[in-house]
Amino acid sequence: KQEVTQIPAALSVPEGENLVLNCSFTDSAIYNLQWFRQDPGKGLTSLLLIQSSQREQTSGRLNASLDKSSGRSTLYIAASQPGDSATYLCAGFSGGYNKLIFGAGTRLAVHP
Amino acid sequence: DADVTQTPRNRITKTGKRIMLECSQTKGHDRMYWYRQDPGLGLRLIYYSFDVKDINKGEISDGYSVSRQAQAKFSLSLESAIPNQTALYFCATSGFSSDTQYFGPGTRLTVL
Repeated sequence: KQEVTQIPAALSVPEGENLVLNCSFTDSAIYNLQWFRQDPGKGLTSLLLIQSSQREQTSGRLNASLDKSSGRSTLYIAASQPGDSATYLCAGFSGGYNKLIFGAGTRLAVHP
Repeated sequence: DADVTQTPRNRITKTGKRIMLECSQTKGHDRMYWYRQDPGLGLRLIYYSFDVKDINKGEISDGYSVSRQAQAKFSLSLESAIPNQTALYFCATSGFSSDTQYFGPGTRLTVL
């Protein structure tokens, strides 16, 4: 069974810190990886999509990397802000038909 | 206006009732998906559709059915709701040329 695991489950940091969220997957057939942000009571917002041919993607203060050989992806958030507080989900594409396998998420709290 | 909308946003119902959740999108995407989210489990795929004539079961389709009424509309039905179907339900869409999925705001369903 394909599994996606996110560590840690929760994280609390002071404003301004750089932080790393981890995502690991057991299935080498996962070929792309997408990072989402979820705010309480709201839907998911796509942050970054890393294609299998890419090693990383950057958007503003966010940088996501993908290492298929080790089954790992990381989301790096630079200079964290209270507005970054949310749950971050990673999801791997599998099965050749655009099916996402989700991790349970990392709940991030950035305090002033 | 939101690209992916879901109705209702919240619903409380009783065991045994038939429930329909609706999803509409204005993104012009062919592919639509229904997921459910449970605390600590991440999102799991219920059904997906790659065009109006294509319906496929996902990981947890038992107890659910779907209807793709048009390219822009994809409905999820619970024929006889049970308490363990209490969850947050998300609709998502994606285009043929991109793996990125776009999510609606979710429907919070409570089955008493």
